[in-house]
Amino acid sequence: AQTVTQSQPEMSVQEAETVTLSCTYDTSENNYYLFWYKQPPSRQMILVIRQEAYKQQNATENRFSVNFQKAAKSFSLKISDSQLGDTAMYFCAFTLVQGGSEKLVFGKGTKLTVNP
Amino acid sequence: DTEVTQTPKHLVMGMTNKKSLKCEQHMGHRAMYWYKQKAKKPPELMFVYSYEKLSINESVPSRFSPECPNSSLLNLHLHALQPEDSALYLCASSRQAVGADTQYFGPGTRLTVL
Repeated sequence: AQTVTQSQPEMSVQEAETVTLSCTYDTSENNYYLFWYKQPPSRQMILVIRQEAYKQQNATENRFSVNFQKAAKSFSLKISDSQLGDTAMYFCAFTLVQGGSEKLVFGKGTKLTVNP
Repeated sequence: DTEVTQTPKHLVMGMTNKKSLKCEQHMGHRAMYWYKQKAKKPPELMFVYSYEKLSINESVPSRFSPECPNSSLLNLHLHALQPEDSALYLCASSRQAVGADTQYFGPGTRLTVL
Protein backbone atom coordinates (compact mmCIF):
# COMPACT_ATOMS: atom_id res chain seq x y z
CA ALA A 1 0.00 0.00 0.00
CA GLN A 2 1.11 3.51 -0.76
CA THR A 3 1.63 6.01 2.05
CA VAL A 4 2.41 9.72 2.13
CA THR A 5 4.03 11.40 5.12
CA GLN A 6 4.16 15.09 5.87
CA SER A 7 6.26 15.49 8.99
CA GLN A 8 5.56 19.19 9.61
CA PRO A 9 2.03 19.74 10.97
CA GLU A 10 2.54 23.51 11.09
CA MET A 11 5.02 26.01 9.69
CA SER A 12 5.30 29.75 9.51
CA VAL A 13 7.29 32.11 7.33
CA GLN A 14 7.72 35.84 6.98
CA GLU A 15 6.30 37.52 3.93
CA ALA A 16 8.78 37.62 1.00
CA GLU A 17 10.89 34.82 2.44
CA THR A 18 11.28 31.26 1.19
CA VAL A 19 9.86 28.16 2.86
CA THR A 20 10.13 24.47 2.11
CA LEU A 21 7.46 21.90 2.98
CA SER A 22 8.55 18.30 3.18
CA CYS A 23 6.83 15.18 1.90
CA THR A 24 7.97 11.58 1.73
CA TYR A 25 6.12 8.66 0.26
CA ASP A 26 6.39 4.93 0.12
CA THR A 27 5.63 2.75 -2.87
CA SER A 28 7.09 -0.27 -4.60
CA GLU A 29 5.81 0.93 -7.95
CA ASN A 30 7.88 2.84 -10.47
CA ASN A 31 5.30 4.87 -12.35
CA TYR A 32 3.23 7.42 -10.48
CA TYR A 33 2.32 11.07 -10.14
CA LEU A 34 2.85 13.35 -7.18
CA PHE A 35 0.89 16.49 -6.37
CA TRP A 36 0.83 19.40 -4.01
CA TYR A 37 -2.60 20.80 -3.27
CA LYS A 38 -3.32 24.00 -1.38
CA GLN A 39 -6.47 24.56 0.69
CA PRO A 40 -6.84 28.13 1.96
CA PRO A 41 -9.13 28.93 4.87
CA SER A 42 -11.90 29.57 2.28
CA ARG A 43 -11.60 25.79 1.76
CA GLN A 44 -11.34 25.18 -1.99
CA MET A 45 -8.62 22.64 -2.75
CA ILE A 46 -6.40 24.01 -5.50
CA LEU A 47 -3.72 22.17 -7.45
CA VAL A 48 -0.35 23.84 -6.91
CA ILE A 49 1.98 21.60 -8.84
CA ARG A 50 2.24 18.13 -10.36
CA GLN A 51 5.26 15.90 -10.95
CA GLU A 52 5.38 12.79 -13.10
CA ALA A 53 7.76 10.22 -11.65
CA TYR A 54 9.32 9.42 -15.04
CA LYS A 55 10.47 13.02 -15.43
CA GLN A 56 13.83 13.84 -13.91
CA GLN A 57 13.32 17.57 -14.21
CA ASN A 58 11.70 19.18 -11.18
CA ALA A 59 8.35 20.82 -11.86
CA THR A 60 7.97 24.57 -11.35
CA GLU A 61 4.96 26.89 -11.36
CA ASN A 62 5.91 30.52 -10.88
CA ARG A 63 6.96 30.89 -7.21
CA PHE A 64 6.37 27.20 -6.50
CA SER A 65 8.92 24.50 -7.26
CA VAL A 66 9.54 20.97 -6.11
CA ASN A 67 12.61 18.98 -5.23
CA PHE A 68 11.80 15.48 -6.43
CA GLN A 69 14.23 12.83 -5.23
CA LYS A 70 12.90 9.55 -6.59
CA ALA A 71 15.48 7.29 -4.99
CA ALA A 72 14.88 8.88 -1.61
CA LYS A 73 11.08 8.98 -2.22
CA SER A 74 11.05 12.62 -1.30
CA PHE A 75 8.92 15.39 -2.82
CA SER A 76 9.37 18.75 -1.11
CA LEU A 77 7.66 21.99 -2.09
CA LYS A 78 9.54 25.28 -2.10
CA ILE A 79 7.60 28.53 -2.01
CA SER A 80 9.68 31.56 -2.92
CA ASP A 81 8.79 35.17 -2.12
CA SER A 82 6.00 34.03 0.21
CA GLN A 83 2.79 36.06 0.07
CA LEU A 84 -0.01 36.44 2.60
CA GLY A 85 -2.28 34.59 0.18
CA ASP A 86 -0.07 31.51 0.50
CA THR A 87 -1.48 30.95 3.99
CA ALA A 88 -3.23 27.59 3.70
CA MET A 89 -3.15 23.89 4.41
CA TYR A 90 -0.86 22.14 1.96
CA PHE A 91 -1.46 18.50 1.12
CA CYS A 92 1.01 16.25 -0.63
CA ALA A 93 -0.69 13.51 -2.66
CA PHE A 94 0.25 10.44 -4.70
CA THR A 95 -1.46 8.37 -7.39
CA LEU A 96 -0.32 5.36 -9.37
CA VAL A 97 -0.26 5.27 -13.17
CA GLN A 98 -2.06 2.02 -13.75
CA GLY A 99 -5.54 0.62 -14.15
CA GLY A 100 -7.70 0.96 -11.09
CA SER A 101 -5.50 3.64 -9.64
CA GLU A 102 -8.16 6.25 -9.22
CA LYS A 103 -7.24 6.86 -5.62
CA LEU A 104 -5.32 9.88 -4.48
CA VAL A 105 -3.36 9.09 -1.33
CA PHE A 106 -3.01 12.22 0.78
CA GLY A 107 -0.58 13.16 3.50
CA LYS A 108 -1.98 14.64 6.71
CA GLY A 109 -1.17 18.15 5.60
CA THR A 110 1.02 21.07 6.68
CA LYS A 111 -0.60 24.26 7.88
CA LEU A 112 1.43 27.18 6.55
CA THR A 113 1.06 30.67 7.94
CA VAL A 114 2.66 33.62 6.18
CA ASN A 115 3.23 36.49 8.58
CA PRO A 116 3.35 40.14 7.51
CA ASP B 1 -11.28 26.28 -17.42
CA THR B 2 -10.87 23.91 -14.48
CA GLU B 3 -14.04 24.72 -12.61
CA VAL B 4 -16.06 22.29 -10.55
CA THR B 5 -19.15 23.80 -8.93
CA GLN B 6 -21.03 22.55 -5.90
CA THR B 7 -24.37 23.48 -4.40
CA PRO B 8 -25.38 24.33 -1.80
CA LYS B 9 -22.41 25.95 -0.06
CA HIS B 10 -23.89 25.26 3.36
CA LEU B 11 -26.52 22.76 4.47
CA VAL B 12 -28.05 22.18 7.88
CA MET B 13 -30.28 19.17 8.27
CA GLY B 14 -31.93 17.10 10.92
CA MET B 15 -31.34 13.38 11.30
CA THR B 16 -34.70 12.58 9.71
CA ASN B 17 -34.33 14.85 6.70
CA LYS B 18 -33.58 13.91 3.10
CA LYS B 19 -31.36 16.26 1.18
CA SER B 20 -29.07 16.19 -1.84
CA LEU B 21 -25.71 17.69 -2.72
CA LYS B 22 -25.00 18.62 -6.31
CA CYS B 23 -21.75 18.78 -8.25
CA GLU B 24 -21.26 19.92 -11.82
CA GLN B 25 -18.34 20.18 -14.25
CA HIS B 26 -18.22 21.15 -17.91
CA MET B 27 -14.64 20.19 -18.68
CA GLY B 28 -15.54 16.95 -20.43
CA HIS B 29 -14.10 14.94 -17.57
CA ARG B 30 -15.24 11.33 -17.40
CA ALA B 31 -14.39 10.63 -13.77
CA MET B 32 -16.05 12.24 -10.76
CA TYR B 33 -15.44 11.77 -7.07
CA TRP B 34 -17.02 12.44 -3.69
CA TYR B 35 -14.81 13.07 -0.68
CA LYS B 36 -15.58 13.73 2.97
CA GLN B 37 -13.26 16.07 4.86
CA LYS B 38 -13.20 16.65 8.59
CA ALA B 39 -11.55 19.76 10.01
CA LYS B 40 -7.76 19.81 9.76
CA LYS B 41 -7.73 16.40 8.07
CA PRO B 42 -7.09 15.33 4.48
CA PRO B 43 -10.05 14.38 2.28
CA GLU B 44 -11.32 10.82 2.53
CA LEU B 45 -12.52 9.18 -0.66
CA MET B 46 -16.15 8.04 -0.62
CA PHE B 47 -17.14 7.24 -4.21
CA VAL B 48 -15.70 7.24 -7.71
CA TYR B 49 -17.71 7.36 -10.91
CA SER B 50 -16.07 6.47 -14.19
CA TYR B 51 -18.05 7.03 -17.39
CA GLU B 52 -21.19 7.51 -15.30
CA LYS B 53 -20.79 4.14 -13.59
CA LEU B 54 -19.91 3.64 -9.95
CA SER B 55 -16.41 2.17 -9.87
CA ILE B 56 -15.41 2.61 -6.24
CA ASN B 57 -17.45 2.67 -3.05
CA GLU B 58 -15.19 2.98 -0.04
CA SER B 59 -17.55 1.06 2.25
CA VAL B 60 -19.67 4.16 2.77
CA PRO B 61 -22.86 3.72 4.85
CA SER B 62 -26.04 3.38 2.81
CA ARG B 63 -27.40 6.63 4.21
CA PHE B 64 -25.17 8.20 1.55
CA SER B 65 -26.40 7.42 -1.95
CA PRO B 66 -24.50 8.71 -4.98
CA GLU B 67 -25.98 9.26 -8.41
CA CYS B 68 -24.43 10.25 -11.73
CA PRO B 69 -27.26 11.24 -14.10
CA ASN B 70 -24.87 12.28 -16.87
CA SER B 71 -21.21 12.92 -17.51
CA SER B 72 -21.37 16.47 -16.15
CA LEU B 73 -23.43 15.99 -13.03
CA LEU B 74 -22.91 14.15 -9.77
CA ASN B 75 -25.33 14.03 -6.86
CA LEU B 76 -25.03 12.77 -3.32
CA HIS B 77 -28.35 11.93 -1.70
CA LEU B 78 -28.46 12.09 2.07
CA HIS B 79 -30.94 10.35 4.34
CA ALA B 80 -31.06 9.64 8.07
CA LEU B 81 -27.65 11.09 8.70
CA GLN B 82 -25.90 11.15 12.05
CA PRO B 83 -24.23 14.14 13.75
CA GLU B 84 -20.83 12.55 13.07
CA ASP B 85 -21.55 12.95 9.35
CA SER B 86 -21.12 16.68 9.74
CA ALA B 87 -18.17 17.61 7.52
CA LEU B 88 -17.09 19.35 4.34
CA TYR B 89 -18.12 17.31 1.29
CA LEU B 90 -15.89 17.82 -1.69
CA CYS B 91 -16.52 16.87 -5.27
CA ALA B 92 -13.69 16.42 -7.75
CA SER B 93 -13.32 15.47 -11.39
CA SER B 94 -10.58 14.27 -13.70
CA ARG B 95 -10.30 13.54 -17.39
CA GLN B 96 -10.25 9.82 -16.72
CA ALA B 97 -10.32 7.51 -13.76
CA VAL B 98 -8.16 4.70 -15.01
CA GLY B 99 -4.56 5.71 -14.82
CA ALA B 100 -3.19 8.76 -13.12
CA ASP B 101 -4.73 12.10 -13.82
CA THR B 102 -5.09 15.38 -12.01
CA GLN B 103 -8.19 15.76 -9.90
CA TYR B 104 -9.81 19.19 -9.76
CA PHE B 105 -11.85 19.99 -6.70
CA GLY B 106 -14.97 22.00 -6.13
CA PRO B 107 -15.39 24.46 -3.24
CA GLY B 108 -17.31 21.96 -1.15
CA THR B 109 -20.57 21.84 0.78
CA ARG B 110 -20.35 22.40 4.52
CA LEU B 111 -22.86 19.96 6.03
CA THR B 112 -24.12 20.19 9.59
CA VAL B 113 -26.33 17.42 10.94
CA LEU B 114 -28.31 18.34 14.04
